[in-house]
Amino acid sequence: EVQLLESGGGLVQPGGSLRLSCAASGFTFFNYAMSWVRQAPGKGPEWVSGIGGSGGGTYYADSVKGRFTISRDNSKKTLYLQMNSLRDEDTAVYYCAKERYGVVVVNTFEYWGQGSLVIVSS
Amino acid sequence: DIQMTQSPSPLSASVGDRVTITCQASQDISNYLNWYQQKPGKAPKLLIYDASNLQTGVPSRFSGSGSGTDFSLTISSLQPEDVATYYCQQYDSLPFFGPGTKVEIK
Repeated sequence: EVQLLESGGGLVQPGGSLRLSCAASGFTFFNYAMSWVRQAPGKGPEWVSGIGGSGGGTYYADSVKGRFTISRDNSKKTLYLQMNSLRDEDTAVYYCAKERYGVVVVNTFEYWGQGSLVIVSS
Repeated sequence: DIQMTQSPSPLSASVGDRVTITCQASQDISNYLNWYQQKPGKAPKLLIYDASNLQTGVPSRFSGSGSGTDFSLTISSLQPEDVATYYCQQYDSLPFFGPGTKVEIK
């Protein structure tokens, strides 16, 4: 059974930093691209970033480019999102998601974690 | 950016009704279109990929169709457990979700 468990969310002040983690199990982690998708309160999902199975090939939404960094440790089966220079508008539930197709980032999100809440507020 | 629009919202129908949700892309996206179901407090769930392919484990009352700019998700016989918000998502370019269609029971 595929399981994705996010952690690291919380309350942070504007301009601050936070690192999210996503622990994966139930599938061969390095064989699949992974993504982060966020959802602000009362809004629809917004794709944030994606990374290929080997860690090569990273992609970012314009809204986070230059502030967020996606990475993965295949030996630990863990996906990360380093978030710097956080803004009020980054407040959201952050989900990690497994790619359906394999190592390449295609952006079909087959499985999702339960989400980690990030609140940016002073 | 490729923008997505959905209609109607909300959608109110009776149990057993056939319901159709439409999604329109601002430019041709071929069949690079997915549909997700999201229930309150839960993560989205993949229902349909590549516009018309049913994800494993999803009931056969769900179906998708379309290509180019116009797509639809159909529930052949609405069930109480189908109350949710439904999102289309394009992946022809950087992925973008539609605004969602909230489905309610009349």
